[in-house]
Amino acid sequence: KAGVTQTPRYLIKTRGQQVTLSCSPISGHRSVSWYQQTPGQGLQFLFEYFSETQRNKGNFPGRFSGRQFSNSRSEMNVSTLELGDSALYLCASSNRGYLVFSYNEQFFGPGTRLTVL
Amino acid sequence: GENVEQHPSTLSVQEGDSAVIKCTYSDSASNYFPWYKQELGKGPQLIIDIRSNVGEKKDQRIAVTLNKTAKHFSLHITETQPEDSAVYFCAASRTTSGTYKYIFGTGTRLKVLA
Repeated sequence: KAGVTQTPRYLIKTRGQQVTLSCSPISGHRSVSWYQQTPGQGLQFLFEYFSETQRNKGNFPGRFSGRQFSNSRSEMNVSTLELGDSALYLCASSNRGYLVFSYNEQFFGPGTRLTVL
Repeated sequence: GENVEQHPSTLSVQEGDSAVIKCTYSDSASNYFPWYKQELGKGPQLIIDIRSNVGEKKDQRIAVTLNKTAKHFSLHITETQPEDSAVYFCAASRTTSGTYKYIFGTGTRLKVLA
């Protein structure tokens, strides 16, 4: 089974621009979560999508948004880029159902390294 | 708020020795605790996990223990090898009320010296 794929792997943008990152989950997985990883802040949760709906959200400004398509592929968008947005953006997929007490094993993709100049 | 403390931040061991990484979580409702290994240039890879109804789990050279009363869990790697060198992250998650986000520890850089 193919793993989680993310495109592009590397991206360089300038301040003020916007960027869209893409994630394809493992086949059959309906949950996609996004994380930002930086040396100073570690791994921080951005949001989770399940069945095309945002189910959970972390503490990031509204410039960070996402969506999920009917095939479970997800995109993340960052508008008006700032220098501090430079990070590794990780996508993780899970085959969890939307049930109480459904454990959530997440599998990560390789990430998109975003550099903002 | 919710947080996970992880110690140590760096750990150097001789090849063949054991390594132990400890995490403490704050949310008593957490019920799932995965451990990830991240190598340079790659995403985190799930290496072992434990659920709150289990006190210990082992998979070959890797084991995880959970103390719910003290709200801490630990990763144990025995007979370390150079390929175990990586950054290890613990995480805590709860699966009630539709909340599935992970809270990660700050990571431990493990160096196994040959």
